[in-house]
Amino acid sequence: DSGVTQTPKHLITATGQRVTLRCSPRSGDLSVYWYQQSLDQGLQFLIHYYNGEERAKGNILERFSAQQFPDLHSELNLSSLELGDSALYFCASSVGGASKTLHFGNGTRLTVT
Amino acid sequence: AQRVTQPEKLLSVFKGAPVELKCNYSYSGSPELFWYVQYSRQRLQLLLRHISRESIKGFTADLNKGETSFHLKKPFAQEEDSAMYYCAAAPTAGGTSYGKLTFGQGTILTVHP
Repeated sequence: DSGVTQTPKHLITATGQRVTLRCSPRSGDLSVYWYQQSLDQGLQFLIHYYNGEERAKGNILERFSAQQFPDLHSELNLSSLELGDSALYFCASSVGGASKTLHFGNGTRLTVT
Repeated sequence: AQRVTQPEKLLSVFKGAPVELKCNYSYSGSPELFWYVQYSRQRLQLLLRHISRESIKGFTADLNKGETSFHLKKPFAQEEDSAMYYCAAAPTAGGTSYGKLTFGQGTILTVHP
């Protein structure tokens, strides 16, 4: 499958812990976007990287950070986890930095207990 | 603030009935509007975008700038249309936020046989 790949699919961890979510974009896509989907907030934009550089930030908490590596995969790091961080985290990719057609991964479901 | 509103969390119709999923936006400038769909156990995917003026799977959406709406319509709903539908908006100008999509809360459409 040459689509967007996210690992792991599920993650269960305790409050205060730190986790790393990984995303591999579609082949040829340079942009990676991270979104958080929770029951009450819907899909919230977190951050956008293009070819290794941060391009835009949304409602991303200071406890969260991300990066895009030279091979274009991206990682979202969530630290000092709280119960409210439990959500589905989606990664999406697109060809360019201004493309609006996003291709989404299947998401990582994070449960903080 | 940029905002996309989908007033209905749930929408149920019978097969063959017309369906309309509402979307209103509050956005600076002239945003580009999209509808994304997520079928059961599948990833979020683009359904249509207003600049294409296309009909996908029988769905159409008209951008009404006066009412700042982008409702999704289909004259005869099918059972396979049952899914989560997200309306989204993105800035059309460049700048630091290009590529960033603002999503609505989503509407779960159920088409009954």
